[in-house]
Amino acid sequence: AQSVTQPDARVTVSEGASLQLRCKYSYFGTPYLFWYVQYPRQGLQLLLKYYPGDPVVQGVNGFEAEFSKSNSSFHLRKASVHWSDWAVYFCAVRTGGNNKLTFGQGTVLSVIP
Amino acid sequence: NAGVIQTPRHKVTGKGQEATLWCEPISGHSAVFWYRQTIVQGLEFLTYFRNQAPIDDSGMPKERFSAQMPNQSHSTLKIQSTQPQDSAVYLCASSCNSGNTLYFGEGSRLIVV
Repeated sequence: AQSVTQPDARVTVSEGASLQLRCKYSYFGTPYLFWYVQYPRQGLQLLLKYYPGDPVVQGVNGFEAEFSKSNSSFHLRKASVHWSDWAVYFCAVRTGGNNKLTFGQGTVLSVIP
Repeated sequence: NAGVIQTPRHKVTGKGQEATLWCEPISGHSAVFWYRQTIVQGLEFLTYFRNQAPIDDSGMPKERFSAQMPNQSHSTLKIQSTQPQDSAVYLCASSCNSGNTLYFGEGSRLIVV
């Protein structure tokens, strides 16, 4: 079955440190992959998306992600975390035509000064 | 562009009562999606419409839940005889024909007491 797993429920990093949030997918074929962020009491906002092509994709606010077919992964990275990045991050895979998405369980990112 | 608009933002309803949630998609978007978000289950797909027609309701509970899209400017999600387990944030999203991005509203938080 097509699915996404985010193995880390919570990640804590110091402000200014680098960040990696992990995402593993299960998909038959070439996946379309997404990272969304959810700030408190808000809806989901798109950070970046991967379509077949360059495996490293750039997103907003300095985020990037790298697609790996061999590892079935799509990890999110940021070189230097800011306190405003404190949020929940969701990885998703398109599981149908018409843009239907299946989401991972989310990773809560906490940023400490 | 006002984004996806969801009303009400918060709703408290008594057990057994009916709850109706509204979604106004981004103007010109042809697809509307409904998701439910809870701490335990995460983001669950419920249903979606394209050009007002129901396409996939595989995530909708078989009883008490129904969704409609009477015109291209709004969709409704109705829950009859609400139960405490229906308490969740209900998220609506829209996308356009040619794009692969879902744009989410801020959600409607339903609390059933």
